Amino acid sequence: GEQVEQLPSSLIVQEGASVLINCSYTDSASVYFPWYKQEPGKRLQFIIDIRSNMERKQNQRLTLLFDKKTKHLSLHITATQPGDSAIYFCSASANYGGSGNKLIFGTGTLLSVKP
Amino acid sequence: GGIITQTPKFLIGQEGQKLTLKCQQNFNHDTMYWYRQDSGKGLRLIYYSITENDLQKGDLSEGYDASREKKSSFSLTVTSAQKNEMAVFLCASSIWASGNTLYFGEGSRLIVV
Repeated sequence: GEQVEQLPSSLIVQEGASVLINCSYTDSASVYFPWYKQEPGKRLQFIIDIRSNMERKQNQRLTLLFDKKTKHLSLHITATQPGDSAIYFCSASANYGGSGNKLIFGTGTLLSVKP
Repeated sequence: GGIITQTPKFLIGQEGQKLTLKCQQNFNHDTMYWYRQDSGKGLRLIYYSITENDLQKGDLSEGYDASREKKSSFSLTVTSAQKNEMAVFLCASSIWASGNTLYFGEGSRLIVV
C-alpha cells in the first residue's frame, strides 16, 4: 500500500526564517495531497492541499510544490512566527472510486519557531 | 459549523481488557475514520467507514474492531488491550468523495496498566 515519508523529523528556527519540509510517496495512483498541522494541545487542522494535475499552490506564507515524476512534495513556509510551531503532516490519497477518501499520513515534522 | 466529539478523553484499562472509544460528528459527513497517533510514527489508519454500516480496514486493523451504528457515530474497540498500545486515537470525518478535507476530533488517550 501507499507509504508517505517526511523529512526532517524536526526543525528549530528563529522567528522570521523560512523552512522547507519534504515529503515523498510511493503509490503512483495517489492524486490528492493535503497537509495538516497540529498545534500543541489542539486538534489537527487542514492547511493546504494540491492535486496531481498541479505543480504549485500558494496560500499566504505557505507554498506547496509537487513533482509527479519523482513522487515528491515540499512545503515552504516563509517569515515564520512562533504561532507556526506545530507538527506538520503530509498525506496522500488515491482515487479508489467507491472506497472513499482513504488518506495515508506521513510521520510528521515538528517545527519549533523561537522568538 | 460542525464538530467532532470523542469520548472519553482518557481511557484507562488493564492489560487484556476490551476497551471502546466513541466518536460523534454533526457535519452530516458520509465518511468517518479512526487513526492511531504514536510519537515518531505519524498517523496510521485503523478503520474507516464510507457510510452507515460500512467498514473498511486500514493498515493497522489487527487487534481492533469498529462499528458504524449510524451516520453520525463511529466507535472503535480495542479487543485485548496491550501496554504497547498506549497511544492517542484520533477520529475524523469527511464528505465521501476523494479529495475532501478531514475534520478531526481532539483525540482519546489510551493508558494500559
